[in-house]
Amino acid sequence: DAGITQSPRHKVTETGTPVTLRCHQTENHRYMYWYRQDPGHGLRLIHYSYGVKDTDKGEVSDGYSVSRSKTEDFLLTLESATSSQTSVYFCAISDLGTVSTGELFFGEGSRLTVL
Amino acid sequence: DQQVKQNSPSLSVQEGRISILNCDYTNSMFDYFLWYKKYPAEGPTFLISISSIKDKNEDGRFTVFLNKSAKHLSLHIVPSQPGDSAVYFCAAIGNNDMRFGAGTRLTVKP
Repeated sequence: DAGITQSPRHKVTETGTPVTLRCHQTENHRYMYWYRQDPGHGLRLIHYSYGVKDTDKGEVSDGYSVSRSKTEDFLLTLESATSSQTSVYFCAISDLGTVSTGELFFGEGSRLTVL
Repeated sequence: DQQVKQNSPSLSVQEGRISILNCDYTNSMFDYFLWYKKYPAEGPTFLISISSIKDKNEDGRFTVFLNKSAKHLSLHIVPSQPGDSAVYFCAAIGNNDMRFGAGTRLTVKP
């Protein structure tokens, strides 16, 4: 199994509070991704990183920011959480990126509930 | 807009029979397709893929078929086993973009 750890695995917070989810990898993969999974929508890309300090927006980036100061860590921040951001968040890593085979290795997910 | 569609939210089959999961896409730029499998409380895991230059790829009990003219792909599982019960996502890649379908929950009954 790819070495990917997400924390926290579960979080309940209130509307308007900041939230940070952490993804840590031990595979030294270049690419890291944050997805959210919602019923009826499958997995949607929020942001991704193609190297340290190199990030870009995905399909549903509004309300989210990311940072990658080290190869192994990719942080997802909700500056002011809203109920529409209640979801399961998955981190994924890849050594070649989705321009090639698209094979991603996913973490176990972080379930976020915003009340 | 959903560029990758899995129109069946769920599918139930008997153990030993064939499971067929379907996926349609709208973007003709997609040229590589994948299936991921997801168990509860786990992340998705890669299952099988196919390039647009092929129309079939087989890996053990799993076969993916691609019909480019119809913009349709399907995953066949033969024979189905109870351990195959999971949510299956199809994904498509093209033009540096990767999109997932909404998933189909497969239940294989003993």
